[in-house]
Amino acid sequence: GQQLNQSPQSMFIQEGEDVSMNCTSSSIFNTWLWYKQDPGEGPVLLIALYKAGELTSNGRLTAQFGITRKDSFLNISASIPSDVGIYFCAGQLAGANSKLTFGKGITLSVRP
Amino acid sequence: NAGVMQNPRHLVRRRGQEARLRCSPMKGHSHVYWYRQLPEEGLKFMVYLQKENIIDESGMPKERFSAEFPKEGPSILRIQQVVRGDSAAYFCASSRESGETIYFGEGSWLTVV
Repeated sequence: GQQLNQSPQSMFIQEGEDVSMNCTSSSIFNTWLWYKQDPGEGPVLLIALYKAGELTSNGRLTAQFGITRKDSFLNISASIPSDVGIYFCAGQLAGANSKLTFGKGITLSVRP
Repeated sequence: NAGVMQNPRHLVRRRGQEARLRCSPMKGHSHVYWYRQLPEEGLKFMVYLQKENIIDESGMPKERFSAEFPKEGPSILRIQQVVRGDSAAYFCASSRESGETIYFGEGSWLTVV
């Protein structure tokens, strides 16, 4: 089955630093999404990417849909303490009944 | 502007009991999805439903698990004769149409003791 790879499992950065997270797949996806999950909560959509090569920003977040359609990255600039959480990438195939395939997530810690 | 509503948020069941998790999609959404998240794992697709129809249940365990989305009322994920391995967070999501943005609820945490 399809798998999305996110590594490392955890990242530790200083407040104010930028951080970049990668997500790779052995399969092609038509849509890439990035979600953030806080403890005890559901995933919240951060950015959705619909075209290969697309670069999209949402405030301090920037994400890109890889040209090969097998990868995506998420960049967080000028991190703040509330950026702490688990960041998941998810891929979606066209016509696949909309179901999402998720990576295992990266836990981000931000030191004040 | 309510989002996807799930209840109960937390549920404790003894082994062998039944668990029923409810999900009301966002207003105007007729497509519902259930996902399961084990500790320190990503979400895994279970089932996709439209009103009164199961569209894709390829992620559902073959036994003890069932889901419905009746014409009236919330979608229900039912787990019969729960076992310890069923302990997980169960997330419901909804979308207006297939292929459109999917929004998640806050989850139902099932603990089997």
